[in-house]
Amino acid sequence: AQTVTQSQPEMSVQEAETVTLSCTYDTSESDYYLFWYKQPPSRQMILVIRQEAYKQQNATENRFSVNFQKAAKSFSLKISDSQLGDAAMYFCALISGNTPLVFGKGTRLSVIA
Amino acid sequence: SAVISQKPSRDICQRGTSLTIQCQVDSQVTMMFWYRQQPGQSLTLIATANQGSEATYESGFVIDKFPISRPNLTFSTLTVSNMSPEDSSIYLCSTHGRTSQNNEQFFGPGTRLTVL
Repeated sequence: AQTVTQSQPEMSVQEAETVTLSCTYDTSESDYYLFWYKQPPSRQMILVIRQEAYKQQNATENRFSVNFQKAAKSFSLKISDSQLGDAAMYFCALISGNTPLVFGKGTRLSVIA
Repeated sequence: SAVISQKPSRDICQRGTSLTIQCQVDSQVTMMFWYRQQPGQSLTLIATANQGSEATYESGFVIDKFPISRPNLTFSTLTVSNMSPEDSSIYLCSTHGRTSQNNEQFFGPGTRLTVL
């Protein structure tokens, strides 16, 4: 079975500062993908960033970057220069093959002006 | 990518009734997924729907309670039957998309269901 664990139910960050959201996972598959999704109050699930397990280089998408530690099965999300619009629920997720996404419990991020 | 629409966007229902949620994808896709998101919680997979075969349900979900149809490669419905207040949740439709890169999964906007 595949599992995703997010140990931080809530986080807060000052506007323009940097915050890191933690995620660990477990899978027996060698080929898998990791994702961070954002869910604002509108409920729409928005893909923030993805990481292929076979790639050693950490993915980066503008102000969002990940720290992928494959041996430790860790996949944290760093948000730089935080903006008010970053406030949302953030879900870490794992997928392998054609199976559907497995989600962590989520981290609610608040951005303080 | 895949653009997914859902109807209705929200509904308030009386206990004991049933509601059918529609999901439409803008391209033909093999698998469609239905998730439930209870208030303040993460997404839990209800079932996987393949066209031409019966849906595959996850542990804790049964066909009698959540019947699913998949009449073609762009459309699916989820019915929440004999509703109780515990069924109050957001229901989301999802798919990999026909030309999904890196197994990305796309989501509909969700249906917010409140059962009184």
